[in-house]
Formats: sequence, structure tokens, C-alpha cells
Amino acid sequence: GIQVEQSPPDLILQEGANSTLRCNFSDSVNNLQWFHQNPWGQLINLFYIPSGTKQNGRLSATTVATERYSLLYISSSQTTDSGVYFCAVCQETSGSRLTFGEGTQLTVNP
Amino acid sequence: DAGITQSPRYKITETGRQVTLMCHQTWSHSYMFWYRQDLGHGLRLIYYSAAADITDKGEVPDGYVVSRSKTENFPLTLESATRSQTSVYFCASIRDRNTEAFFGQGTRLTVV
Repeated sequence: GIQVEQSPPDLILQEGANSTLRCNFSDSVNNLQWFHQNPWGQLINLFYIPSGTKQNGRLSATTVATERYSLLYISSSQTTDSGVYFCAVCQETSGSRLTFGEGTQLTVNP
Repeated sequence: DAGITQSPRYKITETGRQVTLMCHQTWSHSYMFWYRQDLGHGLRLIYYSAAADITDKGEVPDGYVVSRSKTENFPLTLESATRSQTSVYFCASIRDRNTEAFFGQGTRLTVV
């Protein structure tokens, strides 16, 4: 099956810093999503972004499908951004099943 | 708009018992999924359903049973719970293919 690799696995920032999280995938996909799992365990959908660039406030994401990677940018980080960020992909041949990466654990210190 | 809800939020059960985790969504989404989350393994797909009465196995289906008699409900049953099934279970739904997924709050299951 498709492999999804996220980097870095852990990231510690000071409040106000910017960061870039990366997601590489091993095969072509028709669906890519970014999720944030907050410290209470809730999974929140950040972006549905199979290609192109999207922005939502301080967060933005870019997917370059032809080169099989996606980037999540967090600007002016806040302590509430802490948690685990997951990338998940779906291939045309796998129907609607999302395959998740291992995640990036982000800690933002005040 | 309640969205997607799971129950119970926490459950402790004994080895060998049958336990059912409930998932209910109010959007009439076609697709529903069950994932388990374990340290070192991320989220792994157990079962999914494309519509009522249509279900299929995911990556780790052994020991689990699902049904979907109504579009809005997708219960997951552990027929005879084992300690290796201690995990956090997440239900998710999507409206149709290639749309964003929404997750329930999760059920933390401990098998003793």
C-alpha cells in the first residue's frame, strides 16, 4: 500500500515562531488532508488539499501532487497550536480510505 | 447540528467480553469509517462503509464486526475482547469520495 512519511516527528517552538511540516507519499493520490489532534484527543480537519495552495488564517498548506509531497505552514505559532498534526492520503484505487502518516508532535512554549 | 458522535467516551471491559462502540452522524454522509489509534502505529483503518448495508475490511479487521443498517449509524463490535484491542477508537464520516473527513471525539477502550 501507499506509504506516508511525515517530518519532523517532533517540533518544539517558542510562541510567535513559524514552522513548516512536511508530508511525503509514495504514490499518486487523489485526496490529501491535514488534521490537528489537540491535547484532548479531538481530530480536527484543517485542509482538504489534493493539489494547490490553501490558506486559513495563520495556517496554509501546499500540495505538489506531481512531486508527491505536501507542506503545512504555521505562522506566528500560539500555544493552542500544540498537538499532533497528521497528513492523510487516499488513492484512486483505494476508494475513499484514508491512509495516515505517523504525525508531527508540535509543542509551542509560551 | 450534532455532527458525528461516539459513545461511550470511555469503556473498561474484561477479556473475552463482547463490547459495542457506537457511532452516529447527523449529516447523512455516505461513507463511514472506524480507525484505531495506538502509540507507534498512528491511525489504522479497521472497517469502512460506502453506504447502508455495504461494508468492507480495512487494514486491521481481525476480531471486529461492523454493521450498517441505517445510513446514520455504524456500530463496531468486538466479539471477544482481547488486551491487544486496548486502544482509542475513532469513527469518521465523509459526504462522498474526495471530500473532507470529520471525526468523532473518540472512545478510549481498556481491556483488562
